[in-house]
Amino acid sequence: EAEVAQSPRYKITEKSQAVAFWCDPISGHATLYWYRQILGQGPELLVQFQDESVVDDSQLPKDRFSAERLKGVDSTLKIQPAELGDSAMYLCASSPRDVSGTWGEQFFGPGTRLTVL
Amino acid sequence: RKEVEQDPGPFNVPEGATVAFNCTYSNSASQSFFWYRQDCRKEPKLLMSVYSSGNEDGRFTAQLNRASQYISLLIRDSKLSDSATYLCVVLSMEYGNKLVFGAGTILRVKS
Repeated sequence: EAEVAQSPRYKITEKSQAVAFWCDPISGHATLYWYRQILGQGPELLVQFQDESVVDDSQLPKDRFSAERLKGVDSTLKIQPAELGDSAMYLCASSPRDVSGTWGEQFFGPGTRLTVL
Repeated sequence: RKEVEQDPGPFNVPEGATVAFNCTYSNSASQSFFWYRQDCRKEPKLLMSVYSSGNEDGRFTAQLNRASQYISLLIRDSKLSDSATYLCVVLSMEYGNKLVFGAGTILRVKS
């Protein structure tokens, strides 16, 4: 069964350092999402790609976060510099197309758990 | 006010019990609704979509009340394996068609 791959699974870093997360969506999925999930809360969308284009990054803290999907396949999310409040689970998800219809299934990867010390 | 609100629980129920969760949403223009399940320290997975006419999948029944802007999930004959966090999810038209997740309701089924 096809799955969304993410790495690393766990990352511990010190504040002010740079971190990067990688995501490989299910083959053929045009839409890719990065979410942040703080403990006790639901996932919050950070950025959405349609192929290689950003279609929504309204919740991405652009002073420190960046995301790219250069070839419209895999994607990287970067944080520089990391802050204590960035400690969370970073989830990547993909779907065959934009969820603008009634079908809303997004397939999530296992996530990267980030701890900032 | 949060766009999607849920009772965080936890709901502690014995095996075999029937349990129901409600979720309210604030944007009356929302058109699509879902329940996702998230096991501890795992990723969310789609449990079921919620249709206006209500829908059932085995022991799970989802209903939508547009007038009151709430969604419900009913689980009958609870199993130990049903223990998880149940996330109410709304497709938000307000911010350009994105899924907005509630904080989740924790269910613990005990023997």
